[in-house]
Amino acid sequence: SQTIHQWPATLVQPVGSPLSLECTVEGTSNPNLYWYRQAAGRGLQLLFYSVGIGQISSEVPQNLSASRPQDRQFILSSKKLLLSDSGFYLCAWRAGESEQYFGPGTRLTVT
Amino acid sequence: QKEVEQDPGPLSVPEGAIVSLNCTYSNSAFQYFMWYRQYSRKGPELLMYTYSSGNKEDGRFTAQVDKSSKYISLFIRDSQPSDSATYLCAMSRNAGKSTFGDGTTLTVKP
Repeated sequence: SQTIHQWPATLVQPVGSPLSLECTVEGTSNPNLYWYRQAAGRGLQLLFYSVGIGQISSEVPQNLSASRPQDRQFILSSKKLLLSDSGFYLCAWRAGESEQYFGPGTRLTVT
Repeated sequence: QKEVEQDPGPLSVPEGAIVSLNCTYSNSAFQYFMWYRQYSRKGPELLMYTYSSGNKEDGRFTAQVDKSSKYISLFIRDSQPSDSATYLCAMSRNAGKSTFGDGTTLTVKP
C-alpha cells in the first residue's frame, strides 16, 4: 500500500531563517506530487505541483520554492522566511484521475 | 468570486442526526468531485470521489453531484461523535489540480 511521509511534524523558525520541508511517498512510482498550505480555518492553497523528477509548476508567486530530486521525494524550501509563511503545509500525491492522498502535514510557525 | 464556495458553518448536530454539507461552484468544466475529512491538526483524508453527475453511497455517506445547478452535497446518516471534523469539498477539470472549498466544521454532540 502507498504511504506518504512528511517531516518535521512541527517547526518554529525565526523570520529570515531558511526552510526545508521534506515529503516522500512509498509504494508507488512516478506519482504526481503537490504542496499545499492551509491557513487556520481555511481551505487548501496549492503552492507547487510536480509531474516528474525536476518538473515543478508554481501556482503562487512567493518566496517559496520546490524541488523534486528523486521520483518519490518532494522538497519545499525558502531562503528567508516571512511571518506570512506560517501555516500548515501539506504534501499530497495523486492516485487515479483526480483523488489525492495527503501526508500528516508540517505545522510551521514563523516568529 | 471564488471558483468553489462552501457553506461555512460551523455546524453542530445531535448524535444520530442527518447532516448535509454543501458546495457550489462556478466552473462548468469541473468533472471530478471529492469530499475530504480533516480531523484537527491532521492531513485531509479522502472520503468520497465522484465523476460527473449522480449519487454515490458508501456506508453512512452519500455524495450527490448536480452539474446543471453546479451544486454538490455530502450527506451523513446516523451521525456519530467520531464524525466531528472539518469537511472539505474539492473539484477538478481533469486529472491533476484540484480546487478546494474552505471547509465546514462539524460537531456531533453525544
